[in-house]
Amino acid sequence: DSGVTQTPKHLITATGQRVTLRCSPRSGDLSVYWYQQSLDQGLQFLIQYYNGEERAKGNILERFSAQQFPDLHSELNLSSLELGDSALYFCASSKDGPNTGELFFGEGSRLTVL
Amino acid sequence: GESVGLHLPTLSVQEGDNSIINCAYSNSASDYFIWYKQESGKGPQFIIDIRSNMDKRQGQRVTVLLNKTVKHLSLQIAATQPGDSAVYFCAETSSWGKLQFGAGTQVVVTP
Repeated sequence: DSGVTQTPKHLITATGQRVTLRCSPRSGDLSVYWYQQSLDQGLQFLIQYYNGEERAKGNILERFSAQQFPDLHSELNLSSLELGDSALYFCASSKDGPNTGELFFGEGSRLTVL
Repeated sequence: GESVGLHLPTLSVQEGDNSIINCAYSNSASDYFIWYKQESGKGPQFIIDIRSNMDKRQGQRVTVLLNKTVKHLSLQIAATQPGDSAVYFCAETSSWGKLQFGAGTQVVVTP
């Protein structure tokens, strides 16, 4: 158990819908990262937050947004869903920045868009 | 653009043999490199890391080698076991940069 909790574990929805994925980092970790993993893309970096502020952004679509709350949990919002958004979405956390030590990954949220 | 990639998508290894997984990176500004292991249905798990001021680092049954001249990273697993069957990713970053993952290599351990 990495200590990172992601909910829901599985989610099935229809095109055009909106979903919210939630992540609780390990106790004491200030950084939260979101990654998308699909079969043909590997692990794609989406966005990173540190203590509530956005610190780095990857190839995150405009239909996607995220935030980190004062209690350090994070949410990833996916809207106007398309079939191609079906993927595993991972959250990870670390104490500080990405080059200060390992990231701890959650078990992922599997999103299926029908 | 910046990218991290792996040479081999699948590596088949006999149990007890040593495994070598290779990775090329293109961002010369990267100063921190990590290997992750991902088992089926699970999130990536940290294996070992190395900073750019080192060229070799050893862990338990694993060794990471870094060749900055040719921007190459490798992971060596000694005496590969069935439990080592997984997808292995290299990742690279710089200070407060994005942690970028390579495409991954599937390691299959055969008896």
